[in-house]
Amino acid sequence: ETGVTQSPTHLIKTRGQQVTLRCSSQSGHNTVSWYQQALGQGPQFIFQYYREEENGRGNFPPRFSGLQFPNYSSELNVNALELDDSALYLCASSLGGTGGYEQYFGPGTRLTVT
Amino acid sequence: AQSVTQLDSQVPVFEEAPVELRCNYSSSVSVYLFWYVQYPNQGLQLLLKYLSGSTLVKGINGFEAEFNKSQTSFHLRKPSVHISDTAEYFCAVSDRGDMRFGAGTRLTVKP
Repeated sequence: ETGVTQSPTHLIKTRGQQVTLRCSSQSGHNTVSWYQQALGQGPQFIFQYYREEENGRGNFPPRFSGLQFPNYSSELNVNALELDDSALYLCASSLGGTGGYEQYFGPGTRLTVT
Repeated sequence: AQSVTQLDSQVPVFEEAPVELRCNYSSSVSVYLFWYVQYPNQGLQLLLKYLSGSTLVKGINGFEAEFNKSQTSFHLRKPSVHISDTAEYFCAVSDRGDMRFGAGTRLTVKP
């Protein structure tokens, strides 16, 4: 059974640029959630996708957008990067979109904005 | 709105001593509660979860937690810690699909 994978592992971008992060969910999982973890803080919920539809969104501006594909893999896109976007971005997959399902986390993508 | 407060940002403890990491939550509806551990440069790994039923939940690596509805708490405990337990621990609450995390507790186990 393949776990959750994310790419790339590290990324350096310049303020104002755009970035796309990718996540492959665990086999059989139809739900993907994205989190931003700033240094020294807990993960903050960005949004969740369930069967290719957005299923909830946290307090993040519209320049954070996402997609989920028919194979349930997912992308996180961030436009007009700001310095405060520097963080570890975590993807988690689960069997369902409601609260009782365990979320399995990937290792994260470390984004640095200069 | 749901939220989580982890009462200690850092907890130093000697090897083989007991430890308790405190977590309080707030939510207007029934919740699901989780504890995750994060080792350096890694993602989060589930230690244990409370969905319903028995209020004492046992997890991996000898950890357990007790759900207390009246005190809105979900404290994590281990009777005897090892050096390898040194990590960041996160309490989380979920009443729908989104999961809300606390700020984390850094557990440092000293020899």
